[in-house]
Amino acid sequence: GNSVTQMEGPVTLSEEAFLTINCTYTATGYPSLFWYVQYPGEGLQLLLKATKADDKGSNKGFEATYRKETTSFHLEKGSVQVSDSAVYFCALSDGGGGSNYKLTFGKGTLLTVNP
Amino acid sequence: DSGVTQTPKHLITATGQRVTLRCSPRSGDLSVYWYQQSLDQGLQFLIQYYNGEERAKGNILERFSAQQFPDLHSELNLSSLELGDSALYFCASSQVGVTSGGHNEQFFGPGTRLTVL
Repeated sequence: GNSVTQMEGPVTLSEEAFLTINCTYTATGYPSLFWYVQYPGEGLQLLLKATKADDKGSNKGFEATYRKETTSFHLEKGSVQVSDSAVYFCALSDGGGGSNYKLTFGKGTLLTVNP
Repeated sequence: DSGVTQTPKHLITATGQRVTLRCSPRSGDLSVYWYQQSLDQGLQFLIQYYNGEERAKGNILERFSAQQFPDLHSELNLSSLELGDSALYFCASSQVGVTSGGHNEQFFGPGTRLTVL
């Protein structure tokens, strides 16, 4: 079955530091890949997505590139802010060949950014 | 605001009881998904409905059931509750169709926090 493995946290950084959160996946076929973010006390928000190999998703300074050869979708940001403190989830959706597009999530990585 | 609403926000109940969680999808979205988030299991897919029909089941217990109504809102029913059912339950919706090409962008509601005492 499908699975997502992401870097275990927690990750603590100083403001303006560089962020990388690793994510690798196992899936049959050609999944779509996502990063979701969960701020304290809130639901999940889609941060960025990529739907085919070599696509780069980007939003709010975050980027991730769909690497089929390494089955990876690592999240990066060049300069983190205190407001980026949240839990980040890597996820995939394999389409299921029909209308079943359930998401398979990684365990989440807690990021804390200190001023 | 994702456009997905869930009620109630918090629910506290006792073991053995039954509760109903409600979800209204974004306008125009035909698919509704339910997920459970717990500390030990992480985020787990429970069940999906598409335009009123059950489309996929994940790690959903037999004590749990769901349905999607003609107006597309969905309810998740949890019965014979146990302490281990305490979790955050999220509903998500998406526009899913043959032409979507697998671009399943799901929009999540704020969740219902269930506490079983």
